Amino acid sequence: QVQLVESGGGVVQPGRSLRLSCVVSGFSLHGSAMHWIRQAPGKGLEWVTRMSYDGNDIYYGDSVKGRFTISRDTSRSTLHLQMNSLRRDDTAIYYCARTEGDATNVDDWGQGTLVTVSS
Amino acid sequence: SYDLTQPPSVSVAPGKTATITCGGGDIGNKIVHWYQQRPGQAPIMVILHDSERPLGIPERFSGSNAGTTATLTINRVEVGDEADYYCQLWDAVSDQWVFGGGTKLTVL
Repeated sequence: QVQLVESGGGVVQPGRSLRLSCVVSGFSLHGSAMHWIRQAPGKGLEWVTRMSYDGNDIYYGDSVKGRFTISRDTSRSTLHLQMNSLRRDDTAIYYCARTEGDATNVDDWGQGTLVTVSS
Repeated sequence: SYDLTQPPSVSVAPGKTATITCGGGDIGNKIVHWYQQRPGQAPIMVILHDSERPLGIPERFSGSNAGTTATLTINRVEVGDEADYYCQLWDAVSDQWVFGGGTKLTVL
């Protein structure tokens, strides 16, 4: 059974950093592309970043480029999102999500972790 | 970047047909997926590759894509279908994944 469990959310001041983690089970990171997708309170879904199944290709949305970094630790079945220079408009639920192989849809989602950027 | 346009809301009576559109330039030549998100829950996929239903999704859900509009159709709408619906595609030009703004389906 596929599971994705996010952690690391919380309240952080503007300009500070935060690191999210996503522990996965029921599948291998080697065979899946992984994403972070966020949703601001009361708003729609916004794709943040994607790492290809082989880890070689990484893409970022324009709003986070240069500030956020996606990485993975395959030995620990864990995906990370390092968020630097946080802004108030980064406040959102952050979902970890999986795509099988090189497909273009999202197959599975975690339950999300809330990040609140506030002074 | 590529933009996807959805109506903010659609209302339909139980038992009727709901149609949710997703507009974009030349979207008919791209592959579109649809997700359902109930309040407080993570999204789930209801249509992939324009018109395929994942395992477990009722046959009442169908999709199409041509020209400048992709469409999600829900036949014989039930109260349990009330949710937000999002279209999504991968834009090869920018190498970015794009979501539509979402449509809130209200079952009257």
